[in-house]
Amino acid sequence: QQPVQSPQAVILREGEDAVINCSSSKALYSVHWYRQKHGEAPVFLMILLKGGEQKGHDKISASFNEKKQQSSLYLTASQLSYSGTYFCGTDRTGNQFYFGTGTSLTVIP
Amino acid sequence: KAGVTQTPRYLIKTRGQQVTLSCSPISGHRSVSWYQQTPGQGLQFLFEYFSETQRNKGNFPGRFSGRQFSNSRSEMNVSTLELGDSALYLCASSITSGGYNEQFFGPGTRLTVL
Repeated sequence: QQPVQSPQAVILREGEDAVINCSSSKALYSVHWYRQKHGEAPVFLMILLKGGEQKGHDKISASFNEKKQQSSLYLTASQLSYSGTYFCGTDRTGNQFYFGTGTSLTVIP
Repeated sequence: KAGVTQTPRYLIKTRGQQVTLSCSPISGHRSVSWYQQTPGQGLQFLFEYFSETQRNKGNFPGRFSGRQFSNSRSEMNVSTLELGDSALYLCASSITSGGYNEQFFGPGTRLTVL
């Protein structure tokens, strides 16, 4: 029931774009995105809700396809500070919160 | 505003012992969730407390328990520790329960079971 993320890992040069995908086998109520840097706690990036409402980061965008039970995180013009592991999290009303398998993103100069 | 705090930051225990971890949420946040993070299993949901009541529980054995106090502070207890319980335990607070609000994570407690 854990959401599956792809790719598992990606290496980018500064300025390049990346897309991280999150796919769930269950119907989704909302999708959260977090970034975790090595040795630190996860930090909130964005929430996407059914119906299209979004809350989050100015420089990072995301999409949520309710029918396909998928979400994608778009990182444009990547910076060194974008490096870390990205997790999607899905919340189904009345049930536990599941984090995805994680995507390691490394931005190099 | 102070962030989420967790104590202790590091713990070393031996098999069979029990341990209690503490989490103080951001002021005004009433929901506290606990997660176990390991390299093999990733971030696994343990349970969520809201207004002193357990709202949701993950797929962990009964050795893992928790509670929340009237000031929203939460504790997590693991009894009869096993080697596989070695992990980073993270707590996260949010204003309310449910999927509408972001979670703010504490720095975690690194538990090592020998």
